[in-house]
Amino acid sequence: DADVTQTPRNRITKTGKRIMLECSQTKGHDRMYWYRQDPGLGLRLIYYSFDVKDINKGEISDGYSVSRQAQAKFSLSLESAIPNQTALYFCATSDTSGGYEQYFGPGTRLTVT
Amino acid sequence: AQSVTQPDIHITVSEGASLELRCNYSYGATPYLFWYVQSPGQGLQLLLKYFSGDTLVQGIKGFEAEFKRSQSSFNLRKPSVHWSDAAEYFCAVAPPQYGNKLVFGAGTILRVKS
Repeated sequence: DADVTQTPRNRITKTGKRIMLECSQTKGHDRMYWYRQDPGLGLRLIYYSFDVKDINKGEISDGYSVSRQAQAKFSLSLESAIPNQTALYFCATSDTSGGYEQYFGPGTRLTVT
Repeated sequence: AQSVTQPDIHITVSEGASLELRCNYSYGATPYLFWYVQSPGQGLQLLLKYFSGDTLVQGIKGFEAEFKRSQSSFNLRKPSVHWSDAAEYFCAVAPPQYGNKLVFGAGTILRVKS
């Protein structure tokens, strides 16, 4: 089984709808991240969490919110989706005691029409 | 501005030829350095990393990278490319002043021709 899983893998939704993307990990890592990937822009950090009680904004947090339900679960919400939030979304984890490398889930492709 | 630059958006190489993908960063202190690969429809996989010590680091799948402090570069190399290496490659850095969060370059898409 994959160490970092994301659900759903693909989602098409309409403008104005609320969407939640979920991430679960079995790696036992304390740090979790949400990124979006757009062609030609690489990955940009949306939110990150260093433990269950710690939530921090990344460089592009506007229009997004997150919830860290447990050490293993980190959800990303789009309260009112808009077309320019169409992107590939990745969850990642890392370990405080590790070397800062991050481990990525398979991604969620979100299309907002 | 502080950034990570991958100057080549696309690179095409013949199968069996050598490969070098460039990465430059502009942060004051030497950050931790990483290369990731993303195969079509997949997440990102760590190829290799540099924290300190020997400036030539070996990774998985026959890749290596060389850190050059004077050039603020961390170029990825492979002596002989295989068709299965076709993918998008991302350089990432973890600058100490950013709490060691990762900053990614824009990526380089590698095409392999037979």
